[in-house]
Amino acid sequence: AQSVTQLGSHVSVSEGALVLLRCNYSSSVPPYLFWYVQYPNQGLQLLLKYTSAATLVKGINGFEAEFKKSETSFHLTKPSAHMSDAAEYFCAVRGSGNTPLVFGKGTRLSVIA
Amino acid sequence: GAVVSQHPSWVICKSGTSVKIECRSLDFQATTMFWYRQFPKQSLMLMATSNEGSKATYEQGVEKDKFLINHASLTLSTLTVTSAHPEDSSFYICSARDRRVDTQYFGPGTRLTVL
Repeated sequence: AQSVTQLGSHVSVSEGALVLLRCNYSSSVPPYLFWYVQYPNQGLQLLLKYTSAATLVKGINGFEAEFKKSETSFHLTKPSAHMSDAAEYFCAVRGSGNTPLVFGKGTRLSVIA
Repeated sequence: GAVVSQHPSWVICKSGTSVKIECRSLDFQATTMFWYRQFPKQSLMLMATSNEGSKATYEQGVEKDKFLINHASLTLSTLTVTSAHPEDSSFYICSARDRRVDTQYFGPGTRLTVL
């Protein structure tokens, strides 16, 4: 079985500051890991995914995440926050094949001007 | 990226009525679609996995007779909430898996309010 734990339900950063959203996973098989972003009353948009290729994954909107097996982590970072980054971010994991995504509880990112 | 649409985007209905939500993959064929439910300020909870041409697989605790899922074609899955009650009010999100890139794409969601 797979699961993810997102540390911090709410993160607040100043505009231009580093964004760090934490995600730790648990998986009995090599995991596929994802970060999604959700804006209010909208569906989820894929930011990036890890599928056992490069451990540093670059996504859209300047976000990236690094897969660290030794730490079972897949933290999301962005060097400089923009106001438009304010949203809910979900980390998700799944196994191989046709298995569905399992989501963390989400982290709400606020960006302060 | 691939596009998944949902219709309607929001619906208000009376208690006891049934509501159908459609989920379509617009530019790829989806042999597998997933239905999620999201309560305010909470994460997505998987309700069921829908495979084209076969019965859906429901997660534990989800009533299959209440949440009817049909996946009749490679681009369309429907979720029907039967005899809806106020506690069924929620945000329902569908997702379709594009096998070509092994990625799940999500629809914009449907806000259901049962009065």
